Amino acid sequence: ETGVTQTPRHLVMGMTNKKSLKCEQHLGHNAMYWYKQSAKKPLELMFVYNFKEQTENNSVPSRFSPECPNSSHLFLHLHTLQPEDSALYLCASSQPPQNRVGPNEQFFGPGTRLTVL
Amino acid sequence: LAKTTQPISMDSYEGQEVNITCSHNNIATNDYITWYQRFPSQGPRFIIQGYKTKVTNEVASLFIPADRKSSTLSLPRVSLSDTAVYYCLVVTYGQNFVFGPGTRLSVLP
Repeated sequence: ETGVTQTPRHLVMGMTNKKSLKCEQHLGHNAMYWYKQSAKKPLELMFVYNFKEQTENNSVPSRFSPECPNSSHLFLHLHTLQPEDSALYLCASSQPPQNRVGPNEQFFGPGTRLTVL
Repeated sequence: LAKTTQPISMDSYEGQEVNITCSHNNIATNDYITWYQRFPSQGPRFIIQGYKTKVTNEVASLFIPADRKSSTLSLPRVSLSDTAVYYCLVVTYGQNFVFGPGTRLSVLP
């Protein structure tokens, strides 16, 4: 148990559906992340939020829309996905880089296994 | 971003010390070396981080030579529960973590 929870753990959706993934942390962190892991590929960073503001978008298609209403919650809204978007989506949180030496430890949730039919 | 290279897999036996070496030839002055562990069906979990020389915590040691072009994660007396994938990352002060394929460690009885 890392203190980062994700719901749902599994999701099957059609290409015309709209769904959302939810991530929640009560670790007092102010940075949150979405990662994607496709089959047989390494984990890829998608989005970074610091203090509710998006600070990084790693060329992610617009059919993935993140939302960070507060520092404890992060959503990933999905619409008109493609079968190749089927993957494990992981959320993580950390303290944001401030006047601190070195990167801060990221705490990961268990992930949502998404299947797009 | 500095690229890392580590073995795809390793086997060990219970009670042995395991050393996993990671190469990062183009590491930059501001980069740190950080290692994560990942069990099946879970997200990665932080193990240890360092900048130079040696760092030790309750689960592992990290050895970094003076030129910093490689690093070695040392796991003392592994058990079956240490079977996992181990990721070496080189991270500039910041948040852009780039995960490679990692090293799949199998601990045998």
